[in-house]
Amino acid sequence: NAGVTQTPKFRVLKTGQSMTLLCAQDMNHEYMYWYRQDPGMGLRLIHYSVGEGTTAKGEVPDGYNVSRLKKQNFLLGLESAAPSQTSVYFCASSHYDRAYGYTFGSGTRLTVV
Amino acid sequence: KQEVTQIPAALSVPEGENLVLNCSFTDSAIYNLQWFRQDPGKGLTSLLLIQSSQREQTSGRLNASLDKSSGRSTLYIAASQPGDSATYLCAVLDGGSQGNLIFGKGTKLSVKP
Repeated sequence: NAGVTQTPKFRVLKTGQSMTLLCAQDMNHEYMYWYRQDPGMGLRLIHYSVGEGTTAKGEVPDGYNVSRLKKQNFLLGLESAAPSQTSVYFCASSHYDRAYGYTFGSGTRLTVV
Repeated sequence: KQEVTQIPAALSVPEGENLVLNCSFTDSAIYNLQWFRQDPGKGLTSLLLIQSSQREQTSGRLNASLDKSSGRSTLYIAASQPGDSATYLCAVLDGGSQGNLIFGKGTKLSVKP
């Protein structure tokens, strides 16, 4: 059972470069989420999606874009990376009524230099 | 705005001790509460999920309680082992079934042999 898979696991970017983080889930979950985790700040919601073709802003959306073209995939894009986006990024998914909780991926460690 | 606080931020105990980790939240209108474990450099593993109508959940040596009216949850770990060393995160699903998962900053547990 793969659950939630994130690629890549590690990445180093130069300031101004762009990249896309991929999240894939095989649990047929309707909802998907992107979080970032920073020391002393905990996990904060960047964007989320309640279904294929939908996206919504979370607590810290600036500098990121997302797309959900297929139900099983949720992409997080950085158009012009900044050092402030150095973080660990986690993707999660859940059933639509959230009664069964969230399932998280193993994370992507991104460093912007 | 919902805020989740975990006390203590760090805890060191000798092997075999029973211990309690605390989580408090400011708004009692939660849908459920989830406890996670995070090992260094790894993702989040769900430990226990308590629905708002429940008072506790148990899994092996772990027991989580929920007192929604007072905005508190505790995670009880019996007979601690060095393998329990990790960061434990508490998260509440805020604002009903359409809300967002709000995290505390975690308690870093170290169990000494």
